[in-house]
Amino acid sequence: RKEVEQDPGPFNVPEGATVAFNCTYSNSASQSFFWYRQDCRKEPKLLMSVYSSGNEDGRFTAQLNRASQYISLLIRDSKLSDSATYLCVVKSGYNKLIFGAGTRLAVHP
Amino acid sequence: DTEVTQTPKHLVMGMTNKKSLKCEQHMGHRAMYWYKQKAKKPPELMFVYSYEKLSINESVPSRFSPECPNSSLLNLHLHALQPEDSALYLCASSLGQTSNYGYTFGSGTRLTVV
Repeated sequence: RKEVEQDPGPFNVPEGATVAFNCTYSNSASQSFFWYRQDCRKEPKLLMSVYSSGNEDGRFTAQLNRASQYISLLIRDSKLSDSATYLCVVKSGYNKLIFGAGTRLAVHP
Repeated sequence: DTEVTQTPKHLVMGMTNKKSLKCEQHMGHRAMYWYKQKAKKPPELMFVYSYEKLSINESVPSRFSPECPNSSLLNLHLHALQPEDSALYLCASSLGQTSNYGYTFGSGTRLTVV
């Protein structure tokens, strides 16, 4: 079983739609959780950290459920510029960042 | 300065060549990382340096040799690579290996082995 699992997509949504991505992780000792965004042929960029209390940054909301070992990302009012691959990332008990395979999002006019 | 700078951006090398990838950051981060990313795959960890000492080696073949000359610099020396080593090599840094902050990535070196 992979340490971090995501639905690979692609998610094809119209502008203005709300889209949700899910992720599960296998190591209960995992310490920190993140969503990264990666554009084609570019480096991953930190989108937001994820906390048990849930956190919001503009149109983006992230949630963590430690009991279920489940992480989510909600994007409201999708923009064309949101098209990218969204990587669920977990810091393992060995202080290593482990990446999920990524979920591809394509927002169309 | 909130950047991780990698050079060169592109590299083509033959299987008998020796080359080096360079990474630099001036954010005062004390942990630095090398990741390898193949097309349509997530980044995979290769090496971790913490306070200039090698902390993690993910069983990487010896044809890849990391070096951390000081707290701002990280090199990856390449020798006798194979075509399957062609990939995007990403350097990253963080405040410390145990910090709960995410990593900052450089824009990568796109390596082609011919």
